[in-house]
Amino acid sequence: GDSVTQMEGPVTLSEEAFLTINCTYTATGYPSLFWYVQYPGEGLQLLLKATKADDKGSNKGFEATYRKETTSFHLEKGSVQVSDSAVYFCALSFSGGSNYKLTFGKGTLLTVNP
Amino acid sequence: GAVVSQHPSRVICKSGTSVKIECRSLDFQATTMFWYRQFPKKSLMLMATSNEGSKATYEQGVEKDKFLINHASLTLSTLTVTSAHPEDSSFYICSARGGRVTEKLFFGSGTQLSVL
Repeated sequence: GDSVTQMEGPVTLSEEAFLTINCTYTATGYPSLFWYVQYPGEGLQLLLKATKADDKGSNKGFEATYRKETTSFHLEKGSVQVSDSAVYFCALSFSGGSNYKLTFGKGTLLTVNP
Repeated sequence: GAVVSQHPSRVICKSGTSVKIECRSLDFQATTMFWYRQFPKKSLMLMATSNEGSKATYEQGVEKDKFLINHASLTLSTLTVTSAHPEDSSFYICSARGGRVTEKLFFGSGTQLSVL
């Protein structure tokens, strides 16, 4: 079946450091890919998405590129802030990009220290 | 933006009791609601999909008699864990689909259930 594998956490960085959280997927066909973020005490929020190969999703300084050849969707940010501390989930869906039936990764806890 | 309220955020109960978790869409009508669970160090797993006024659709391996889902209105869905046991201890998250312009998915903040 479909699955998403993302790097184990926790990840601890200093402010202004470069962030990469790896995500790879296994699926039959070409799913839409998503990154969700969950800040402490809040629900998951969509951070960015890409619906086809070579698309780049971006939001709040975060970027991820849909790589069909490596079945990956790595999340990157050039300079993290303390406020980026959260749990990040990679996910896929075949629901035409309407992101409703999602397959999630395990989540990666990011802590950014001042 | 749209908000989904999930309550309670944390519950501790004795084995054999039933626990109800509520999921409310606060400023939109949720045509569909989803329930997920997450075990420690595991992925969020979809348990069931519910549409207002109809029976929930459960994913393979999820016991429908154990996890009762009611979606009686366009703003409220409930998950009842019946006769809870320690193995039901998990993190449960609801999400709601709906919106005025495009249909998006909004998540609650989750409920940590601990069964003693």
